[in-house]
Amino acid sequence: EPEVTQTPSHQVTQMGQEVILRCVPISNHLYFYWYRQILGQKVEFLVSFYNNEISEKSEIFDDQFSVERPDGSNFTLKIRSTKLEDSAMYFCASKARTGLYEQFFGPGTRLTVL
Amino acid sequence: AQSVTQLGSHVSVSEGALVLLRCNYSSSVPPYLFWYVQYPNQGLQLLLKYTSAATLVKGINGFEAEFKKSETSFHLTKPSAHMSDAAEYFCAVSDKETSGSRLTFGEGTQLTVNP
Repeated sequence: EPEVTQTPSHQVTQMGQEVILRCVPISNHLYFYWYRQILGQKVEFLVSFYNNEISEKSEIFDDQFSVERPDGSNFTLKIRSTKLEDSAMYFCASKARTGLYEQFFGPGTRLTVL
Repeated sequence: AQSVTQLGSHVSVSEGALVLLRCNYSSSVPPYLFWYVQYPNQGLQLLLKYTSAATLVKGINGFEAEFKKSETSFHLTKPSAHMSDAAEYFCAVSDKETSGSRLTFGEGTQLTVNP
């Protein structure tokens, strides 16, 4: 069964460093998402991506964040200069097409900023 | 703006007992509603979804949920809990009029099943 994969499973970085979180969505899917979950809090939407551009972003997704689909298979989230409060579990998700279709989630990357 | 409230961050039941996880939503447009489950060290897995076709929705693993517009609720139930049901459960709402369909999640409910 196809699944969304994410690497690494755990990333530790120093405050101020750049990190790139990687996701491989399901191959025929068209919509891609990033969500995050700070420990003890709810899962929050960051950004959605369709047709090689951002279709929607939340107020959390500021200039420190960027997304890219560099090669038609990977979907990346870059945090330019990490802050302590960026420590969270980051989930990638993908969806087949427009409308009410299931978003399939990856297992997440736990980002720890020291 | 949409929001979801899950009453009870922790629910504990005995094996074989009824599971009831509560979810109330707020949405300015007719909502799409979802329940996801997260097992330890895994991603979110869809249990079931409400799409306005039927108010009682059946999902995987014996779970079901009923959409009640008058109560703005979408509670998740299972008649008989199994040890393997122990996990965290998330209720989520989506604005059906937004093609990107971001999900707005509740706080989550940790379900413990006691032998």
